[in-house]
Amino acid sequence: GAGVSQSPSNKVTEKGKDVELRCDPISGHTALYWYRQSLGQGLEFLIYFQGNSAPDKSGLPSDRFSAERTGGSVSTLTIQRTQQEDSAVYLCASGGREGYETQYFGPGTRLLVL
Amino acid sequence: AQKVTQAQTEISVVEKEDVTLDCVYETRDTTYYLFWYKQPPSGELVFLIRRNSFDEQNEISGRYSWNFQKSTSSFNFTITASQVVDSAVYFCALSEKFEAAGYKLTFGGGTRVLVKP
Repeated sequence: GAGVSQSPSNKVTEKGKDVELRCDPISGHTALYWYRQSLGQGLEFLIYFQGNSAPDKSGLPSDRFSAERTGGSVSTLTIQRTQQEDSAVYLCASGGREGYETQYFGPGTRLLVL
Repeated sequence: AQKVTQAQTEISVVEKEDVTLDCVYETRDTTYYLFWYKQPPSGELVFLIRRNSFDEQNEISGRYSWNFQKSTSSFNFTITASQVVDSAVYFCALSEKFEAAGYKLTFGGGTRVLVKP
């Protein structure tokens, strides 16, 4: 497919469990972003990758959140010891090498922590 | 810190009416980019338009048009002759440059548009 893909589309987990969310960016895009959309906080930035460079983690809400990007392509967002306030839609976006280029979003992963 | 305000939380119109969405932003950057995204009920954020801070020319693209006024820090978006398929939440976003090459987006709270047949 030509767009950003994310998996799973929905995830239900129990409080305290770890979850992994996956993002496949658009082929050729070097920039990858994670955002979170929740009712209380709206759309908020989490983390940014540019190619193989070290990520900008300035938006991560706690040290329970981490992300990796393997080979400058696929990314995994991991949430450890999930809490109910982690329930949200996690959106991934990718963009071109030039930082000002448009970010294109995937369909998101809807996470529900019981 | 950057900020984007969409004062309208919800707008309801009848099909074929025009809809204008307001967006006001705050930034200290001299170079920045503004975006409008659409989020239909399916949930995916769909890119609509992008404008850079150096270009205040207003344009029309199909049924979409936008009015960028740097003097008032506003970036309003209009849908002409609305259709039921335009029903969605619309987000205005402002880019913010990192120390590296990337830009992160600061989003407004969104405006829900409901177009009734």
